[in-house]
Amino acid sequence: EPEVTQTPSHQVTQMGQEVILRCVPISNHLYFYWYRQILGQKVEFLVSFYNNEISEKSEIFDDQFSVERPDGSNFTLKIRSTKLEDSAMYFCASSLTSGAGDTQYFGPGTRLTVL
Amino acid sequence: GENVEQHPSTLSVQEGDSAVIKCTYSDSASNYFPWYKQELGKGPQLIIDIRSNVGEKKDQRIAVTLNKTAKHFSLHITETQPEDSAVYFCAASFTGGGNKLTFGTGTQLKVEL
Repeated sequence: EPEVTQTPSHQVTQMGQEVILRCVPISNHLYFYWYRQILGQKVEFLVSFYNNEISEKSEIFDDQFSVERPDGSNFTLKIRSTKLEDSAMYFCASSLTSGAGDTQYFGPGTRLTVL
Repeated sequence: GENVEQHPSTLSVQEGDSAVIKCTYSDSASNYFPWYKQELGKGPQLIIDIRSNVGEKKDQRIAVTLNKTAKHFSLHITETQPEDSAVYFCAASFTGGGNKLTFGTGTQLKVEL
C-alpha cells in the first residue's frame, strides 16, 4: 500500500540554525500538507500546497517557514532560523484532491528538537 | 475559524467493553469529519470518516454518529481489544477550506485485559 515517507525521523538542531524536513508524498497525489504537534498537544495545520503554490497557511506559518517541491517526488519544509518553540513533531500529509472529504494520508513524522 | 473540542482526554475500558469519544465543532460550514488513530511514534491513521449529509456510518466494530444541529459527532468502538489502545483524534474541515483539518485535542484510550 502506498504511503507517505518522511526523513529524518529525528532532527536535533541549535537555536538559530536552518532545518529542512523532507517528505515523499504518495505518488499520484496532488495536494500536500504540513502539520505539527507539540508534545502532548493537538495536531495543528501549518500549510497546504498545490500546483507549486501555497493554497492556505495558518498564522503559525510565518516568514521563517517555507515549503517547496524541488522535484517530482519530494516536498520540503524549511525553517530558516529555528526557535526553541519550534520543537515539535512535524507531519507531512498528501491527498489526491482538495475537496473536503478527500482522505489525507499522514507520514510517520519528523521529531524536531531545538536546543 | 473552526474550533474542535474533544472529550474525554483519557479513557480506560476493560477488554470487550465499548468506548465512546465525543467531539463538538464550532463552524456550521464544516462538512467532513474524520477520525484518526495515532499509535506511539507513528503518524495519524484514518480509521473512519463521515460527511455532513449522513447521520451515521459503521465499519465493523467502529461507528461514527453526527448531529449537525448540535454540532457534535462521536466515535463508538465496540468489543474493544488491547490493540485499540492508542490516541484518537477527531477533526473537521469544510469545502472551500482547502481541506485544512482542524483537530481535537485527542483521547488516550487504554484497553485493559
